[in-house]
Amino acid sequence: GNSVTQMEGPVTLSEEAFLTINCTYTATGYPSLFWYVQYPGEGLQLLLKATKADDKGSNKGFEATYRKETTSFHLEKGSVQVSDSAVYFCALSDRGDYKLSFGAGTTVTVRA
Amino acid sequence: DGGITQSPKYLFRKEGQNVTLSCEQNLNHDAMYWYRQDPGQGLRLIYYSQIVNDFQKGDIAEGYSVSREKKESFPLTVTSAQKNPTAFYLCATEGLAYNEQFFGPGTRLTVL
Repeated sequence: GNSVTQMEGPVTLSEEAFLTINCTYTATGYPSLFWYVQYPGEGLQLLLKATKADDKGSNKGFEATYRKETTSFHLEKGSVQVSDSAVYFCALSDRGDYKLSFGAGTTVTVRA
Repeated sequence: DGGITQSPKYLFRKEGQNVTLSCEQNLNHDAMYWYRQDPGQGLRLIYYSQIVNDFQKGDIAEGYSVSREKKESFPLTVTSAQKNPTAFYLCATEGLAYNEQFFGPGTRLTVL
C-alpha cells in the first residue's frame, strides 16, 4: 500500500535559518506528491505539489523536488520567518486513488 | 466568499451520545472528505463522497456515519459506538486539479 514517512519533530529554528523537512514515500504506481501546512487551530492549506518525477513545486519561498530514484520529496526553505511556525504534512495520492495518504506531520517553531 | 465552513468550532459531548458535525461548501466541488487528526498521527480518512447520494468508507469508518443528500453538504455523525471520539475533525473538498484537496477550519470534539 501507499505510505509516507516524514522526519519527526519538533524542529526549532532561529529566524533566517535554513529549513529542511525530509519526506520519503512508498507507492505502487506513479503518485502525485504534496506538502500541506497547518497553522495553529486551523485546517490544512496546500503549500505546493508535484505531479511527476523531477517536477519542482514552489510557493512562498518553499521548494520541493519529486525524486523518483530516491522516492523522496523533501521540503526546503532558505530563510525562515516566525510566521512559518506551523505543522507541515507530506502527502501522496496514487493515480486512480481518491484519497490522500499523509505523513505524521512535523511541527516547526521559528524563534525571533 | 467561496470556501468550506465547519460548525461548530468546538463541540463537547457526553459519553453515549451521538453528535453531528457540519460541513458545507460553496466551491461547487463534487468530492468531499472527512478526516480525523490525532496528535502525532497525521490525518486518517473516515469517509469520502465523490458524488451526491454516494459515499465510501475510508480507513477508520467504524463508529461514524455520513450522508450526502446535497452537493454542498456532507455531515458526519459520531455515534456512541466510536470508542475514542475525542479528536480534531477536518472536512475537505477536491477541486478541479486531480487530488488537490481544500480543507475547512475543523471541529474539535471533546467527549466528557
